[in-house]
Amino acid sequence: GAVVSQHPSWVICKSGTSVKIECRSLDFQATTMFWYRQFPKQSLMLMATSNEGSKATYEQGVEKDKFLINHASLTLSTLTVTSAHPEDSSFYICSAPPGVNPETQYFGPGTRLLVL
Amino acid sequence: AQTVTQSQPEMSVQEAETVTLSCTYDTSESDYYLFWYKQPPSRQMILVIRQEAYKQQNATENRFSVNFQKAAKSFSLKISDSQLGDAAMYFCAYRPPQGGSEKLVFGKGMKLTVNP
Repeated sequence: GAVVSQHPSWVICKSGTSVKIECRSLDFQATTMFWYRQFPKQSLMLMATSNEGSKATYEQGVEKDKFLINHASLTLSTLTVTSAHPEDSSFYICSAPPGVNPETQYFGPGTRLLVL
Repeated sequence: AQTVTQSQPEMSVQEAETVTLSCTYDTSESDYYLFWYKQPPSRQMILVIRQEAYKQQNATENRFSVNFQKAAKSFSLKISDSQLGDAAMYFCAYRPPQGGSEKLVFGKGMKLTVNP
């Protein structure tokens, strides 16, 4: 199956700092990637759709200036949590559909963010 | 809007036995895709099985099979010969047809416990 990686897997930061999370498709190109947030014992909540070469599309209620998304290449999308606060602490997951099966999304291993 | 419902928040099964996880969905589309994803304690989302709505034949992947009832909008997952490694959260997901939104719609998930 298609492989998606995320870096870092764990990050602890101080309140007010910015944190960048990378999502890479390792063996396929992805013009679209998705960013999710997951709270403990809950389902995935879609935050935004990342589009290579254009602006991301954010879901209703997601602050664009807080969660900056850049899809710099066909294999890399980044999520930057700006001026992080404790309420931003969560599990962030990215996914991407490979070109062969564009209807199927493959997920990265996730990034645990803890803001102190 | 499409919705996915997993009415059972938790289930348990004895090792080597069979268990069925239920999922219903609502859509006005005739062509779409359905998925079951597994999320073990590592929190990595793993694709278990997928079903194209235009295919009448139920999908099967080794010990995992689905019962797809299109008219009833039901998509249950059967796990045969349950193993300890099957213990996880299971999410049912819906994707609209090609050419439309690529977003997945997830159910709330169901926690499966496998007892030795």
